[in-house]
Amino acid sequence: EVQLVESGGAEVQRGGSLRLSCAASGFKFADHTMHWVRQVPGKGLQWVALISGDGRHAWHDDSVKGRLLISRDNRRDALYLQMSSLRGDDGALYYCAAGSSWYQLDYWGRGTLVTVSP
Amino acid sequence: QSVLTQPPSASGTPGQRVTISCSGNNSNIGFNSVNWYQQFPGVAPKLYIYTNDQRPSGVPDRFSASKSGTSASLAIDGLQSEDEAHYYCASWDDSLNGPVFGGGTKLTVL
Repeated sequence: EVQLVESGGAEVQRGGSLRLSCAASGFKFADHTMHWVRQVPGKGLQWVALISGDGRHAWHDDSVKGRLLISRDNRRDALYLQMSSLRGDDGALYYCAAGSSWYQLDYWGRGTLVTVSP
Repeated sequence: QSVLTQPPSASGTPGQRVTISCSGNNSNIGFNSVNWYQQFPGVAPKLYIYTNDQRPSGVPDRFSASKSGTSASLAIDGLQSEDEAHYYCASWDDSLNGPVFGGGTKLTVL
């Protein structure tokens, strides 16, 4: 069974840092592009970042470039999102997702909540 | 403002056919395929259509999708109460050099 389990969400002060993790199982992790997608409760989906299966190529949305950094460890079947200089509009539910392409998300985790306080 | 434009809401009665549109341009839908996601409140989204018109296993064949030019659409035949959810389209945008979602459509079954 495919499982993606996010962790690391917390309440953090504006300007602070946080590291999200996503533990993957049930599929060949290194063969999948991995994604972070966020959603403010009650709002739409926003793509945050993605990283190729071998970790050599990554994309970040302009709104997070230089502040949020996606990475992966294929030995541990783990995905990460290092978050720094957090802003109020970074507060959201962050989903980890696995895809067979750069914009096809086949599997999703349940999400981890990041709250940014003033 | 989303790059892909969806109507914020759609509705129908049980048994009806409902369609949800997704409008883009030649930077995205015009030259890239479209995927659709279904999301229930409080639950993670689920891939419902990939590569314009392909259904993953487990998705009812009441759901179909198509793409024409710079627009795509999701159709639901024989609408059922359990279809009430948000639906999001997604594609790749060559100008932004990144993936994009539509703003989402809330489907209500009356």
